Amino acid sequence: DGGITQSPKYLFRKEGQNVTLSCEQNLNHDAMYWYRQDPGQGLRLIYYSQIVNDFQKGDIAEGYSVSREKKESFPLTVTSAQKNPTAFYLCASSPVGLETQYFGPGTRLLVL
Amino acid sequence: DQQVKQNSPSLSVQEGRISILNCDYTNSMFDYFLWYKKYPAEGPTFLISISSIKDKNEDGRFTVFLNKSAKHLSLHIVPSQPGDSAVYFCAASGSSGTYKYIFGTGTRLKV
Repeated sequence: DGGITQSPKYLFRKEGQNVTLSCEQNLNHDAMYWYRQDPGQGLRLIYYSQIVNDFQKGDIAEGYSVSREKKESFPLTVTSAQKNPTAFYLCASSPVGLETQYFGPGTRLLVL
Repeated sequence: DQQVKQNSPSLSVQEGRISILNCDYTNSMFDYFLWYKKYPAEGPTFLISISSIKDKNEDGRFTVFLNKSAKHLSLHIVPSQPGDSAVYFCAASGSSGTYKYIFGTGTRLKV
């Protein structure tokens, strides 16, 4: 059955370390997104990609990087430049245009 | 600045009664709105949407109302059930071709 998978469910990062969060979808959606959720706040857009090999910064892209080498995959790297990485990270996808976004189960990132 | 606002962080409703969740927006260019439901430690799930050409959209127990002049939308759940207890987010986007949705801060509903 189709859907969006994110791994791992929990991820621990040491100071100064880069970590990569995985997002895979088999919905054949062209657009993919990464959001961050902090307690008591809404979802904030980090990066989005409308097509393979292309992506745009969202509202809070500093300290993050992405790649979109395949339609079904949109990994997010949290770099050491991100000073407050502890959050719940959500990946989403949608067909082209202004379509409903479908979310994965999320990855919780914690700093050791 | 917060372009999409959900001013009630929490709401408690008795089972069988109506739940009304509110959302206000400031950008008059927004013309497509969605509601999502989110359980703890899970991704949001899509509930219902509405475009600005309509003022009401209904799907089973869920109805969304849009008042463009007031820049206000609301989600009605009738009758409310214990399984509806979750955090509800509204999201808005414009028709300029952007793929970006702006999310509210969420309202926690307890039934």
